[in-house]
Amino acid sequence: DAEITQSPRHKITETGRQVTLACHQTWNHNNMFWYRQDLGHGLRLIHYSYGVQDTNKGEVSDGYSVSRSNTEDLPLTLESAASSQTSVYFCASSESPADTQYFGPGTRLTVL
Amino acid sequence: KQEVTQIPAALSVPEGENLVLNCSFTDSAIYNLQWFRQDPGKGLTSLLLIQSSQREQTSGRLNASLDKSSGRSTLYIAASQPGDSATYLCAVRPPSQGAQKLVFGQGTRLTINP
Repeated sequence: DAEITQSPRHKITETGRQVTLACHQTWNHNNMFWYRQDLGHGLRLIHYSYGVQDTNKGEVSDGYSVSRSNTEDLPLTLESAASSQTSVYFCASSESPADTQYFGPGTRLTVL
Repeated sequence: KQEVTQIPAALSVPEGENLVLNCSFTDSAIYNLQWFRQDPGKGLTSLLLIQSSQREQTSGRLNASLDKSSGRSTLYIAASQPGDSATYLCAVRPPSQGAQKLVFGQGTRLTINP
């Protein structure tokens, strides 16, 4: 069955380090998204991509970057991790605007 | 800017009851609306997707309605079970071309008591 996976599932890092979170989907969807989920803020969009070589900023993109070199993967990079980036990160994908978004299991990131 | 609100933030009911979860949004111009379920420590599972041209969608014991003109959606759960305990999130998709990103409410945490 097609699926969307994230790794690692848990990560602890130190302030200032570069961190990359992986997202891999086997749905062959063109559209992929990164969200963060925080108490009191709900899910907020970080970056999204509509296809290979396409990336766009979401509402909370500062301090994050993404690259899309193939259809299956959209890695999220924290250039210099900050304590404010402690959160649960979700990756999602969809086929089209009319279609549902499918979410990965999440990565819990702690920045000390 | 689209804003999505879910009230109440938490709800506790005895098993077997029928219940309604509410979702409101400030801009009635939406492409579609989705209801998700999230279990503790887990990702989101899509429950129902309602396109802007539809009034409701049903899946098993779940029924979701959409009233765009009033900016409201409800999720009806019939004959609730302890396994329905989870956080329920609604999300709307703006209609702008290429804007496939979702705007989420903060969710209703539902507890079904045996």
